[in-house]
Amino acid sequence: EVLLVESGGGLVQTGGSLRLSCAASGFTFRDYWMTWVRQAPGKGLEWVAHIKKDGSEKYYVDSVKGRFTLSRDNVKYSLYLQMNTLRAEDTAVYYCARVTRGNGYNLDYWGQGTLVSVSS
Amino acid sequence: DIQMTQSPSSVSASVGDRVTITCRASQGISNWLAWYQQKPGKAPNLLIYTASSLQSGVPSRFSGSGSGTDFTLTISSLQPEDFATYYCQQTNFFPFTFGPGTKVDIK
Repeated sequence: EVLLVESGGGLVQTGGSLRLSCAASGFTFRDYWMTWVRQAPGKGLEWVAHIKKDGSEKYYVDSVKGRFTLSRDNVKYSLYLQMNTLRAEDTAVYYCARVTRGNGYNLDYWGQGTLVSVSS
Repeated sequence: DIQMTQSPSSVSASVGDRVTITCRASQGISNWLAWYQQKPGKAPNLLIYTASSLQSGVPSRFSGSGSGTDFTLTISSLQPEDFATYYCQQTNFFPFTFGPGTKVDIK
């Protein structure tokens, strides 16, 4: 069974940092691109960042470029999102998701999400 | 960035109704479009990819169509478990933008 479990969310002050983790199991992690998607309270979905299977390519939405860093450890079956200089508008549930193999960058498995709250 | 719009923003329907949701991209995205269903407090679930391909395990009452800039998601006969919010997402150009969502609720 494919499982993705996020952790690391919490309450942080504006300008602070958090590191989110996503533990993967049930599939060969190194064979898949991975993604983070976030959802602000009561709002829609926002694609945040995307990393290639071997970590050699990363893509970010403009609003987090220079502040968030995506990485992965294919030995530990883990995905990470280092979030620095956090802003109130980063408050959201953060989901990690697996990208399907072939047929585009579709997200076929998602974690349960971890809540990040940024306050002043 | 490509902007995605959806209409309607919400729809009230009854069990057994046919429901159609429209998604429009601000520029052509070929058929690189996916549809997701999200229920309150849960992660989204992939329904349709490449505009019209049904994800494994998704009931056949869901179907998708379109290419270029205009797409539709159709639920042929609404079931109680289908009351949810539906999002389209383009995966042709970074950033992979989502539409604002369409909430399907009970009439």
